[in-house]
Amino acid sequence: EAEVAQSPRYKITEKSQAVAFWCDPISGHATLYWYRQILGQGPELLVQFQDESVVDDSQLPKDRFSAERLKGVDSTLKIQPAELGDSAMYLCASTLPDEKLFFGSGTQLSVL
Amino acid sequence: AQRVTQPEKLLSVFKGAPVELKCNYSYSGSPELFWYVQYSRQRLQLLLRHISRESIKGFTADLNKGETSFHLKKPFAQEEDSAMYYCALDTGFQKLVFGTGTRLLVSP
Repeated sequence: EAEVAQSPRYKITEKSQAVAFWCDPISGHATLYWYRQILGQGPELLVQFQDESVVDDSQLPKDRFSAERLKGVDSTLKIQPAELGDSAMYLCASTLPDEKLFFGSGTQLSVL
Repeated sequence: AQRVTQPEKLLSVFKGAPVELKCNYSYSGSPELFWYVQYSRQRLQLLLRHISRESIKGFTADLNKGETSFHLKKPFAQEEDSAMYYCALDTGFQKLVFGTGTRLLVSP
């Protein structure tokens, strides 16, 4: 079965450094999401793309977070500068219209 | 406000016992609700959605608009059901709001 690919699997960084996460959705999936999951909580939507366009980034802390999907395929989420409170699992998901979301394995970020 | 509440962080039962994982929602529109599951060392995946009205792995969930609930039920729990379960609400354009999750532990 096709899967959403994410890298790296784990990332450790120091506060004030820049980090970037990569996601490759299932081929043909126009809709792509980035979720953040803090320990003990459910996933929280950060940004939603439809092809290369941002549909919703209302919960994205834009002073330090940015997301792009330049060619409407893979996507990058960046944090600069990272803060201690950014430590979390960052999940990517993709889907087709009216279909279920397929999630990647996530990137576990630890900010020291 | 759009919100999903899962009141139990942990539900521990014995094999063969009935299971009910609670989910309540707050949403002004017509709700579309889901249960997602994450087994140990696996990805988050869809278990069932209310519009399908299907039973997956013996689990069912009925949408009760009067009580704004979407509880997940299984009559006889199995050890392989042990996992993290998340209730989720589609707030439009397939944007999901998740609850905080309930860990189900089924003991032999």
